[in-house]
Amino acid sequence: GAGVSQSPSNKVTEKGKDVELRCDPISGHTALYWYRQSLGQGLEFLIYFQGNSAPDKSGLPSDRFSAERTGGSVSTLTIQRTQQEDSAVYLCASSQGGLAGVGEQFFGPGTRLTVL
Amino acid sequence: QQQVKQSPQSLIVQKGGISIINCAYENTAFDYFPWYQQFPGKGPALLIAIRPDVSEKKEGRFTISFNKSAKQFSLHIMDSQPGDSATYFCAASSPSNTGKLIFGQGTTLQVKP
Repeated sequence: GAGVSQSPSNKVTEKGKDVELRCDPISGHTALYWYRQSLGQGLEFLIYFQGNSAPDKSGLPSDRFSAERTGGSVSTLTIQRTQQEDSAVYLCASSQGGLAGVGEQFFGPGTRLTVL
Repeated sequence: QQQVKQSPQSLIVQKGGISIINCAYENTAFDYFPWYQQFPGKGPALLIAIRPDVSEKKEGRFTISFNKSAKQFSLHIMDSQPGDSATYFCAASSPSNTGKLIFGQGTTLQVKP
C-alpha cells in the first residue's frame, strides 16, 4: 500500500475487555513503532520493532499492554483488561530502519480507542 | 532528561504573518529533530527535520532554526495560510534510543483569513 494503515479506525469497548489493534506498515519498512496520543500525555512512545531483533518495550505503561509483529510486517497491539485511562488514539509508524532511516517515520491514521 | 518542551500551547496568526513555535530539549544525545504536522483525524506527517550539524534548514515557507549550545530549536512558518491551521509537534530522537521519537506537547495553530 501507499502508506501505513491501521484498523479499526475506531473501537469502543467496555472496561475489562481485551482489544486488539492492527498495523500494516509501508512495504519494505523494517522498523515499526507504536505510539499513544492522549489529551493529558501528548504523544508517547510505546514499543519498537526492528527486523528480527528483540523489541524495545520500554514505553509500555503496564503489563496489560503487549505487541507482536508477525513475519516482520503486520503488528498487533493488544490491551488486556482495558481501563478508562487506556482511552486514546493509538498510532503506528514505520520507517526504513537502520541508521540512515532513523527518525523518518511515517504514521498511520491511528485507532481511536474509547473504554466505557 | 528525555523531555522535549514545546511552546506556545496555542497560537493565532493572521494570514500572511509569521508563525513561530519553540522547543527545548535536555538530552545531548539527541541528533535528529523533526517537526510533524497533524490535522484532525489524521496521523502526524513529517514536515521538516534537521540534524545538529547545521543551524538552519529551509523548505519552502517552513524553516527550522537550531541552537545546539542552547539546546533549542524552532519552527518558523512564513506567509502563514489558513491551510496551515493544524497541530504542530516538535520531536527529538537518537540512534541509541532506537530512533523512537520524544515529542513535545504540541502547538495548535490557527491562521485567520
